[in-house]
Amino acid sequence: EIVLTQSPGTLSLSPGERATLSCRASQSVSSSYLAWYQQKPGQAPRLLIYDASSRATGIPDRFSGSGSLTDFTLTINRLEPEDFAVYYCQQYGSSLTFGGGTKVEIK
Amino acid sequence: EVQLVQSGAEVKKPGESLKISCKGSGYSFTKYWIAWVRQKPGKGLEWMGIIYVGDSETRYSPSFQGQVTISADKSISTAYLQWSSLKASDTAMYYCARPSRIGSITDFDYWGQGTLVTVSS
Repeated sequence: EIVLTQSPGTLSLSPGERATLSCRASQSVSSSYLAWYQQKPGQAPRLLIYDASSRATGIPDRFSGSGSLTDFTLTINRLEPEDFAVYYCQQYGSSLTFGGGTKVEIK
Repeated sequence: EVQLVQSGAEVKKPGESLKISCKGSGYSFTKYWIAWVRQKPGKGLEWMGIIYVGDSETRYSPSFQGQVTISADKSISTAYLQWSSLKASDTAMYYCARPSRIGSITDFDYWGQGTLVTVSS
């Protein structure tokens, strides 16, 4: 089973700053089959990025994904107030697994 | 409009059985997989298992194999997650989710609203 490790656990930033979230896989993720989700309290997760770097429908371009093999990054440029949430990565290259999440909180 | 609508919150006692549901609409239900994801209070997402509605092929996460049963009734576009004997540790929010691509297990672009299951004596 591929284990996904997200870091940092919590990121404290101010609106307007850039957030850089990391997702590291214990083995190579085939075909860059990695997604990122945003979850706010009391809500279901929302798909942001799929196939490591493709934005899902309706996702603002301040969200971008990059990476391959075992190292993936979600970047949020110019944080908006609504971006403070928990973010999860998920791989679907070999079965399915989720990372433990990164909380982006207001500094 | 694609929708996944889950059954309502449940409060059960340890040892009881339970079956929760996820009804899909707005798309060809039988051509997609449907996954179940657990989220314990204040914790992260855990993939439990997934079913291809068209032929009921089912795959389970090793962590949940033998602990739950996933099924589907394509005649009513509904997937199910069931327990034969609940434990307090099953207390969690359970989500169903649909992969974004027909016939493939991929990222999940549609999610149900979640079903809160509380197991307490």
